[in-house]
Amino acid sequence: DSGVTQTPKHLITATGQRVTLRCSPRSGDLSVYWYQQSLDQGLQFLIQYYNGEERAKGNILERFSAQQFPDLHSELNLSSLELGDSALYFCASSVGGGRGGEAHEQYFGPGTRLTVT
Amino acid sequence: AQKITQTQPGMFVQEKEAVTLDCTYDTSDPSYGLFWYKQPSSGEMIFLIYQGSYDQQNATEGRYSLNFQKARKSANLVISASQLGDSAMYFCAMRGGQGGKLIFGQGTELSVKP
Repeated sequence: DSGVTQTPKHLITATGQRVTLRCSPRSGDLSVYWYQQSLDQGLQFLIQYYNGEERAKGNILERFSAQQFPDLHSELNLSSLELGDSALYFCASSVGGGRGGEAHEQYFGPGTRLTVT
Repeated sequence: AQKITQTQPGMFVQEKEAVTLDCTYDTSDPSYGLFWYKQPSSGEMIFLIYQGSYDQQNATEGRYSLNFQKARKSANLVISASQLGDSAMYFCAMRGGQGGKLIFGQGTELSVKP
């Protein structure tokens, strides 16, 4: 058990819908990262938050958004869902990852498997 | 641009033997970190080992060691005394740029034969 929790574990929804994925980082970790794993794209970084602020952005679609709350949990919102959004979405956390800081081990949650039908 | 390359899509190893999974990387950052993760069929990503670019010694964690050759830009994972439970997908990753995001390779699927 990595200490990172993600809910829900599985999500099945229809095209055009909106879903919210939730992540709680390990105790003491300030950074939260979101990754998408799909068969065709592999594992791709989406976005990072550090202590409530957006720190880095990857290949995140405009239909997707995220935030990190004062208690450090994070939510990834996916809207206007398409079939191609079906993937395993991971949240990871680390102690560091701030501006100029080293980010050592990143621990991953169990993932949310999203299926868009 | 930063890139991780894993050239072995699949590998087989006999139980109790050692195996090396290859990883090469490309970056212009003077400071970076290299990671290996294991993803069993159940899907979770399990952190195995970390090597910082300024670390003088190769990282080791139990049966896992990282063969870090900076000049060759390689960070191979060595698993000693393979076990059946080691059968999984293995990903090499690099921490790149500000913030600590990870860039992943395509993965190597390891199968351990009894």
